[in-house]
Amino acid sequence: ETGVTQSPTHLIKTRGQQVTLRCSSQSGHNTVSWYQQALGQGPQFIFQYYREEENGRGNFPPRFSGLQFPNYSSELNVNALELDDSALYLCASSLGRGAYGYTFGSGTRLTVV
Amino acid sequence: AQTVTQSQPEMSVQEAETVTLSCTYDTSENNYYLFWYKQPPSRQMILVIRQEAYKQQNATENRFSVNFQKAAKSFSLKISDSQLGDTAMYFCAFMIFQGAQKLVFGQGTRLTINP
Repeated sequence: ETGVTQSPTHLIKTRGQQVTLRCSSQSGHNTVSWYQQALGQGPQFIFQYYREEENGRGNFPPRFSGLQFPNYSSELNVNALELDDSALYLCASSLGRGAYGYTFGSGTRLTVV
Repeated sequence: AQTVTQSQPEMSVQEAETVTLSCTYDTSENNYYLFWYKQPPSRQMILVIRQEAYKQQNATENRFSVNFQKAAKSFSLKISDSQLGDTAMYFCAFMIFQGAQKLVFGQGTRLTINP
């Protein structure tokens, strides 16, 4: 079985630009979550998608948005990038409620200059 | 408030020694799960061990075990016979169910196993 794959691995953007990060869930997983991990910090919950619907969101502004596709892959979009958006973005997938823990990808390192 | 506190930013032990990482948490939820994840330089979060809050018995996975004290909201991780491959950042987290199943993480402990 394949794990969670994220693309790209690294990205440099300019303040004010828009970015799209991609995630392929582990085979059979129907729930995907996105986390932001600033340098030296623990990950923070951005939002979660279940069967193509957003079913929960953390304390992030609306310029952070997402999609989940019928094959359960997902995108994270960030508009009007700010310097503080520089972080590692982690995608995690699970089957259903995720009580057995998520499978994480290796993340996308976003640098905003 | 939903918070996790890991009071040890860094720890270092010799190979084969036993090490304990501390974690306390705060939540008003009654239904939650607790996790320890490790994050090596590859950046991928890897599940180490999980604990259901409604179970009193401490979870064990090979060399890894937890000491779960629900009343004290404490969830420490013990690594026995530590190995070089255990070197990583370790994050304590709990999962709550508020619509989404959301993990709340601590700030991590950097563990180094020395040869």
